[in-house]
Amino acid sequence: QKEVEQDPGPLSVPEGAIVSLNCTYSNSAFQYFMWYRQYSRKGPELLMYTYSSGNKEDGRFTAQVDKSSKYISLFIRDSQPSDSATYLCAMSVSGNTGKLIFGQGTTLQVKP
Amino acid sequence: GAVVSQHPSWVICKSGTSVKIECRSLDFQATTMFWYRQFPKQSLMLMATSNEGSKATYEQGVEKDKFLINHASLTLSTLTVTSAHPEDSSFYICSARGTGGYTQYFGPGTRLTVL
Repeated sequence: QKEVEQDPGPLSVPEGAIVSLNCTYSNSAFQYFMWYRQYSRKGPELLMYTYSSGNKEDGRFTAQVDKSSKYISLFIRDSQPSDSATYLCAMSVSGNTGKLIFGQGTTLQVKP
Repeated sequence: GAVVSQHPSWVICKSGTSVKIECRSLDFQATTMFWYRQFPKQSLMLMATSNEGSKATYEQGVEKDKFLINHASLTLSTLTVTSAHPEDSSFYICSARGTGGYTQYFGPGTRLTVL
């Protein structure tokens, strides 16, 4: 079993839809949770960063962490064609080793 | 802020040659840099972690003699693929983390094609 599971999709939605992206994990020691966006043939770009459980909102993006269920989500409101990309969840344990464990990534296509 | 660059962005080389990839943090000091490898439609796999002035720590299964990593300054790390073979063809991405931080900032990646 992988430490981090993420449905690779692809996920196709119409413009303006609310998108829900999810990851589950097995290691209860994970404390830091991140979402990255990666366009084709580019490096990942940090979107959201959360510590422990709870919600965090930044513009059209909301990240949720439920440590009791070992489940994290990223919601995108009013999705735009420019949001079409691969979204990677990543997480790390407490401490300063900084080693990130990535999910496989979900490919999102927002159709105009 | 937090910009990481990589050079070159794309390189093609013949089998048996060595290729060096540079990773630079442009506006912050990176105490730790990471090197990842990504195959098409797959996630990032950590190859090694390097701290400035120290030897790199390689992940299990990564040949340290083949993938030489140098982190000689707080803004520069290099990955040298020695005696490259076609199976080394991949997308190599570096990331950098500043002092006291947990967030990694990624470079744009280097696409290596070995003929």
